[in-house]
Amino acid sequence: DAKTTQPNSMESNEEEPVHLPCNHSTISGTDYIHWYRQLPSQGPEYVIHGLTSNVNNRMASLAIAEDRKSSTLILHRATLRDAAVYYCILKVASNTGKLIFGQGTTLQVKP
Amino acid sequence: DAGITQSPRHKVTETGTPVTLRCHQTENHRYMYWYRQDPGHGLRLIHYSYGVKDTDKGEVSDGYSVSRSKTEDFLLTLESATSSQTSVYFCAISATDYGYTFGSGTRLTVV
Repeated sequence: DAKTTQPNSMESNEEEPVHLPCNHSTISGTDYIHWYRQLPSQGPEYVIHGLTSNVNNRMASLAIAEDRKSSTLILHRATLRDAAVYYCILKVASNTGKLIFGQGTTLQVKP
Repeated sequence: DAGITQSPRHKVTETGTPVTLRCHQTENHRYMYWYRQDPGHGLRLIHYSYGVKDTDKGEVSDGYSVSRSKTEDFLLTLESATSSQTSVYFCAISATDYGYTFGSGTRLTVV
């Protein structure tokens, strides 16, 4: 499974946008880019995923570089509830593709 | 999330005893997964299933076995619990190429 690299931690101010980067230079053509987050004392929660094009949903936006070697998760207006560990994961698009978690980025949101 | 439940939520057991954790889903998803989460290691995949009676090993499968006799239930068994298996265990479900839904976790303490 291809690996991802994320900063260990980031800080943001409440109500400001947050850009969480992820590098995945060894990504293959069949890898989907998935983002999950884990709030304290909870299980991980699906945020968004994409293959080549940018994606938007009610939680966030995913911007994927043209060469697919990096991506950015965008939270448009951070709230205190967005403080969590954010995981960027590559998942092979096959029946046996699995989520293999790295260490993620711990996002702190300041009021 | 409704649709996936883990039981028990908490368990304390003695070293050497067998323990079974249950994951139950009402989504009729084909894929089910067991992860463990420990400080400093993040989430690690133990076993997964891609259908009834079809299971495979993940990253940290030693000391664990699984069974899936029907679509809705995925059981994780610690055949002889050890202190190193003290952890938080998460079950997850998914449909092909969609996001995973995680359960709320089972906190297992082996004394």
